[in-house]
Amino acid sequence: AIQLTQSPSSLSASVGDRVTITCRASQVITSALAWYQQKPGKAPKLLIYDASSLESGVPSRFSGSGSGTDFTLTISSLQPEDFATYYCQQFNTYPLFGPGTKVDIK
Amino acid sequence: EVQLLESGGGLVQPGGSLRLSCAASGFTFSSYAMSWVRQAPGKGLEWVSVISGSANNTYYADSVKGRFTISRDNSKNTLYLQMNSLRAEDTAVYYCAKEVLYYFDDWGQGTLVTVSS
Repeated sequence: AIQLTQSPSSLSASVGDRVTITCRASQVITSALAWYQQKPGKAPKLLIYDASSLESGVPSRFSGSGSGTDFTLTISSLQPEDFATYYCQQFNTYPLFGPGTKVDIK
Repeated sequence: EVQLLESGGGLVQPGGSLRLSCAASGFTFSSYAMSWVRQAPGKGLEWVSVISGSANNTYYADSVKGRFTISRDNSKNTLYLQMNSLRAEDTAVYYCAKEVLYYFDDWGQGTLVTVSS
């Protein structure tokens, strides 16, 4: 079965920083990969789908890229509201989420 | 505006049963597959089950297969999850989510299920 890993598992950053989170699959997958943001006590929010397509209403500072086994979520200039946990998600036989990356304030 | 509102969570003893509901509005409910996704306290997201728009097809995570049953009533725009033989490890916030292709573009606010004696 495909496994997803995310790195780092957590990071500390400052407002204005460029942040990159990596999602790695244990085998080559299609571009059917999504990214979600989750804040404490809230439901996840879709940011990116098809590896690089920005969900409607999501700020353009969020971008996704990658193919094969390695995918990245980039926040070009971190804003105060971006401190959250980020999950990648892939579909193979069933939906599978990565373990998450927590972004907190430095 | 899409709205998904879960209900039915609570405290239940191990071995007990609970039925979750998710009331949907703001979209053509019968046109979309719907899933349940759960999150144990302090843990990550785990997909639980999916049902097609017509309710003809259902799939389950191995961790709940044979114990949970997903269903829907398209006339009532409502999704259900019948949970039997509950275990401590089923303790989680359960979210219903609207599925587009393979990803989830709308989520409910979640309902907490606690399995404990």
